[in-house]
Amino acid sequence: AQSVAQPEDQVNVAEGNPLTVKCTYSVSGNPYLFWYVQYPNRGLQFLLKYITGDNLVKGSYGFEAEFNKSQTSFHLKKPSALVSDSALYFCAVRDLAGPGYSTLTFGKGTMLLVSP
Amino acid sequence: ETGVTQTPRHLVMGMTNKKSLKCEQHLGHNAMYWYKQSAKKPLELMFVYNFKEQTENNSVPSRFSPECPNSSHLFLHLHTLQPEDSALYLCASRPKDSQLKQETQYFGPGTRLLVL
Repeated sequence: AQSVAQPEDQVNVAEGNPLTVKCTYSVSGNPYLFWYVQYPNRGLQFLLKYITGDNLVKGSYGFEAEFNKSQTSFHLKKPSALVSDSALYFCAVRDLAGPGYSTLTFGKGTMLLVSP
Repeated sequence: ETGVTQTPRHLVMGMTNKKSLKCEQHLGHNAMYWYKQSAKKPLELMFVYNFKEQTENNSVPSRFSPECPNSSHLFLHLHTLQPEDSALYLCASRPKDSQLKQETQYFGPGTRLLVL
């Protein structure tokens, strides 16, 4: 079965500093990997995904993620954090659940807190 | 906004009540999902509907009953719930893609459910 691990419950960073939110995965076959963000009292919003191609994927709001096959990691990064980036971040991997459809398996989430 | 709407946004119900959650999308998506989000736990996939047919039921208790009358609407009928069922219930949808290359799910804002 596919799985993702987010080893940090919370990441604290000062505004203007670079941020990294970690994710490692375990899949059989080629990985399809995703990052979502959840702001308070909202649903999940899609940030970016890796399907194939360049290992560095660029997404919304200045976020990017680096796919590393040898380390089975897909860490989320941003060069300069904003206070408004404070939210809950989820890593996810595609699960080929059955013929013609798939599901996503999510990590437990990492709370990012950016201080002014 | 993702184009996926959920009503009501908040719901308080007693253990003997019957209520329904509604999810709606007019994005032309053909797959719809119900998730349960509890504090400190990963998102739990509950049900998957693909072309209006239920394709996955992740051992969800029978007090939760999904219904998908057409590809734009998804319901979750609730009956004799328990306090531990209190959570945020998220609906998501995914575009039609027979080659499973477009995996992105789009989430609604969720229904915050409190069972007393």
